[in-house]
Amino acid sequence: DVKVTQSSRYLVKRTGEKVFLECVQDMDHENMFWYRQDPGLGLRLIYFSYDVKMKEKGDIPEGYSVSREKKERFSLILESASTNQTSMYLCASREGQETQYFGPGTRLLVL
Amino acid sequence: QKEVEQNSGPLSVPEGAIASLNCTYSDRVSQSFFWYRQYSGKSPELIMSIYSNGDKEDGRFTAQLNKASQYVSLLIRDSQPSDSATYLCAVKSRDGTSYGKLTFGQGTILTVHP
Repeated sequence: DVKVTQSSRYLVKRTGEKVFLECVQDMDHENMFWYRQDPGLGLRLIYFSYDVKMKEKGDIPEGYSVSREKKERFSLILESASTNQTSMYLCASREGQETQYFGPGTRLLVL
Repeated sequence: QKEVEQNSGPLSVPEGAIASLNCTYSDRVSQSFFWYRQYSGKSPELIMSIYSNGDKEDGRFTAQLNKASQYVSLLIRDSQPSDSATYLCAVKSRDGTSYGKLTFGQGTILTVHP
């Protein structure tokens, strides 16, 4: 059974804090993705990675960075959290052209 | 113009009816098309994929693709209350890579009432 896990389901942080969101997949997939989902805006791609230590900017990378030191783990970093980064964050993984699987999501509130 | 647009919702249909969800895309070289279902508070799950023009059926679900019109739709026959969810259309462009990103529409909320 495929599995993508995220470190937290809910997170509350203060403005200016550094925030780490972790994602782990057990399917040996090459490709991993970070999205945020906001009402009326749908899913927007922040960053993705197609290999260890490789990363590509998505559509809205500003204010975020990522790290992929191991194939199974893809981390999203908010260097200095701001209130406009309050959102649902979804991690996904995929092998080539195959099905993209999503993690359960992390709902982040920045106060 | 948004890259992927879905018909504005919410869409409400009675149990047993056909629900029709529509999606248009702007990138002519798009090659792969997906429908995801997302229940409230849950993450998206893939329910249909379609790659060539025409219809693809899977149980009560039928995906329809018309590349000339840049249009993809999802029909749900015999709609059930358990089909109530947000449906996301996703499009993958032919960008020469094996990874290629999906672009999602904003989603259509479907409610099936008894």
